Parts: sequence; structure tokens; C-alpha cells
Amino acid sequence: AQKITQTQPGMFVQEKEAVTLDCTYDTSDPSYGLFWYKQPSSGEMIFLIYQGSYDQQNATEGRYSLNFQKARKSANLVISASQLGDSAMYFCAMREGYGNKLVFGAGTILRVKS
Amino acid sequence: GAVVSQHPSWVICKSGTSVKIECRSLDFQATTMFWYRQFPKQSLMLMATSNEGSKATYEQGVEKDKFLINHASLTLSTLTVTSAHPEDSSFYICSAQSWTSGTYNEQFFGPGTRLTVL
Repeated sequence: AQKITQTQPGMFVQEKEAVTLDCTYDTSDPSYGLFWYKQPSSGEMIFLIYQGSYDQQNATEGRYSLNFQKARKSANLVISASQLGDSAMYFCAMREGYGNKLVFGAGTILRVKS
Repeated sequence: GAVVSQHPSWVICKSGTSVKIECRSLDFQATTMFWYRQFPKQSLMLMATSNEGSKATYEQGVEKDKFLINHASLTLSTLTVTSAHPEDSSFYICSAQSWTSGTYNEQFFGPGTRLTVL
């Protein structure tokens, strides 16, 4: 079974608007961490935001926020005020328990239109 | 964040040759390094986990004799693709992680190496 599911292969958003990228996960471990990474066409993986399973509040980092709904096992990334430079592939990833391996979702390609 | 470098950034080789890719943590000691493979427009697939001074742990389906991993120091891991064939052409990304205070820290990714086998 897929541990990380990103159901949107591609998304378009108008510049300056907000966009939500979906991510659902599957784990039976009560301790886990959820990550979002951005991968532009250059290929580098850029860390955006992290949410721990025991964190009480949703994580925020500048224009990025994570809408964490634990009961629904979803960890959607919200990008506010989209910019042209936000066009990239976005990956959701999970680290379970005390392990150190990351499992990645299939990714969502985001295109910001001017 | 910490810096991880990879060398080379791209390489083209003939079928049957071996290629070595280096991954270095520049400003921290990486107790663990990971090697990923990524095909165009696809996700990252973990190939192996290497801990300094011990043998790498390979994911299911990854050929150990094909993809040799060495983690000889706390700042350097190498991936050698032996007897490369066109199907080995891919984007290879490493990441590095340190262990402090009884917990794993964030993984920092290298910029990747694009391998093309002719």
C-alpha cells in the first residue's frame, strides 16, 4: 500500500493566488514526521516545511503552511501569494517512528501563470 | 541549512564502464547518507542507506553488486555504478543526516548527478 499519496499530478495557479497541494499518508506508528520539498527543474531538493505527529499547531514557514489533519491523515501544503518562481515539482514525504528513512509521494507539478 | 555537495554534477559514459559519484557533507558530520534514484518526472526512490564505517543497507530490488556504496568517513560517501548500461541512466541524489542528542536530524540533499550511459 502507498504510504504517501499525492493525487494531483499537476496544478495550475494564477500568480498572487493561494494554492493547496494535497498529501495523504498511511502509518500505524504514532510517532512520525511529514516533510514537503520543492524540486525546481535544476533538480535540487529544497526543504520547505516540517510537521511532527505530536505537534499541536500547524507548521508555517513564510508563505508556506501545512494544513495538518491528523484524524484524516492528511498534510496539505498551502502556498500563499504564488510567485512565478514557485513553479516546480513538489514532494510530500514521511519519516516513521525512530527510523531515518524518508518515503516520498509521487509529486505534484505546480505551474504558476502570470 | 547544512551543505551537501555531489560530484560530478553530470557524467556521460560508455556502456560497460564504471562511474563513481561522490557525496560530501561540507559543514557537518553525516553519520548516515542516503542514495536515491529519480527517473524523469517521477519520485525519488531510495536505493540504499549507508552508515559511516559499516556496510550499506540496500532497498529491495537494488543490486548490491551493481551499485557499490562506500561511506568511509563522516563527510564522504561514494556510489559506484559498475558496468553501467543505458538503463542505469538516471538522476542520482544523495542526502546526509547527522545524529545528535538521541535523535535523527533533518536530511540535507545534494544537488544531484545526472548519469547518461551511451
